[in-house]
This record gives sequence, C-alpha cells and structure tokens, in this order.
Amino acid sequence: QVQLVESGGGVVQPGRSLRLSCAASGFTFNNYGMHWVRQTPGKGLEWVAVIWFDGNNKYYTDSVKGRFTISRDNSKNTSYLQMNSLRVDDTAVYYCARDLSSGSYYPIHWGQGTLVTVSS
Amino acid sequence: DIQMTQSPSSLSASVGDRVTITCQASQAIGHYLNWYQQKPGKAPKLLIYDASNLETGVPSRFSGSGSGTDFTFTISSLQPEDFATFYCQQYDDLPLTFGGGTKLEI
Repeated sequence: QVQLVESGGGVVQPGRSLRLSCAASGFTFNNYGMHWVRQTPGKGLEWVAVIWFDGNNKYYTDSVKGRFTISRDNSKNTSYLQMNSLRVDDTAVYYCARDLSSGSYYPIHWGQGTLVTVSS
Repeated sequence: DIQMTQSPSSLSASVGDRVTITCQASQAIGHYLNWYQQKPGKAPKLLIYDASNLETGVPSRFSGSGSGTDFTFTISSLQPEDFATFYCQQYDDLPLTFGGGTKLEI
C-alpha cells in the first residue's frame, strides 16, 4: 500500500534553513506528482507546493515563493522541501502527499506529517 | 486565490443524527471539490472527490453534492467513529485551497 514518511522537521531559528524529506513506497513514484501541505492551529490546512511526476513543473503558494523549493529524486523515491529564510509563521506540521496522477490534481495519500517550529 | 467558506465551524451532534456541512467557493469551480476527514494527530483522509464521488472504502453514509460555488457534505447517520474535523478543498485552480474546517463533536 502507499506509504509516505516525512522527516527533517525540528526547531529552527528565524532566518535559518531546513530541508524536509518524504520517502515514498508502495507505488511507482515517478508516475505521480507530489505535494506538500502544512497545518497550523490558527490557519488550518494550507497547500504549499506541488511538483509534477517528472520534476519539470513546480508550483508554490505565494507566501513561500522565493524561499521554499520543492524537488524530487525519482531514483530514491523521495520528495524534498528546502525551506530557506524561515519565519515564525512557517511553524506548522508539514505533510507530504501523493497526487491523484501526474501532479495536476489533488493530494490523495498523505504521510503522517513532520513538525517544524520556527522560534528564537 | 479561490476562497473556500465552510460552515458551520463547529457542530454538536449525537450518534444516529443526520449532519450537513456546507462549503461555498468564491468563484465557480465546477465539480472540482473534495471532502476530507481528519482525526486528532492524524493526516487528512479523502472521503469524497469530484464533489459527489465516494472514495474507495468509505462508508455509504457519507455523501456530497453540488457544483459551481455551492457544495454540501452529509453524513446520513452519525457513527461514533465519525467525530472528527472535516474540510472541503477545491482543485479547480492553483493554489489549492481548503475550507476552514468543521469540528464535529458529541
């Protein structure tokens, strides 16, 4: 069955960087788009970014453009979220999720999430 | 961005009750709407896709309807395991956006 395991979360100071990883199994990774979605108690669920199956298309929500980079390594069945210039309001549980298809649909399978806390 | 307005934000109900949640989009999104269920400490789980289609394995007491800007999610007879938070989400356009959630409580 589909399994997605996030890692890399933790406590980081404002302005610093963190890279999240999402290890996938149970499906043919290079056939599917991958999303990152975050959740905070105050703002609910917020979609962050998507990368298409082949890595050629990437889209971001406005609040992370220029700071976050989504990527993937199809040889390692892993998706990444590089987060630079972190801000306090980036504090959230970050979920990776597999798209229904190539990347142009919606998250259908979700990981368990990894907590990122940005605090001085 | 397409704004998703979900109501109510919380709801008290009892086992066996029929429950309805509404979701309104700030612009027409066709049928490109999903409903998710989330339990504490867990990831969201897809229940309904394309506004009215039941995801595989989801009990038939869950249903969805609507198109354009107005959507409805219904649980026909609440079961104890249904108490959770429910979210609508549009995928007509990026960024994908979610409703604010409805917390269903006993």
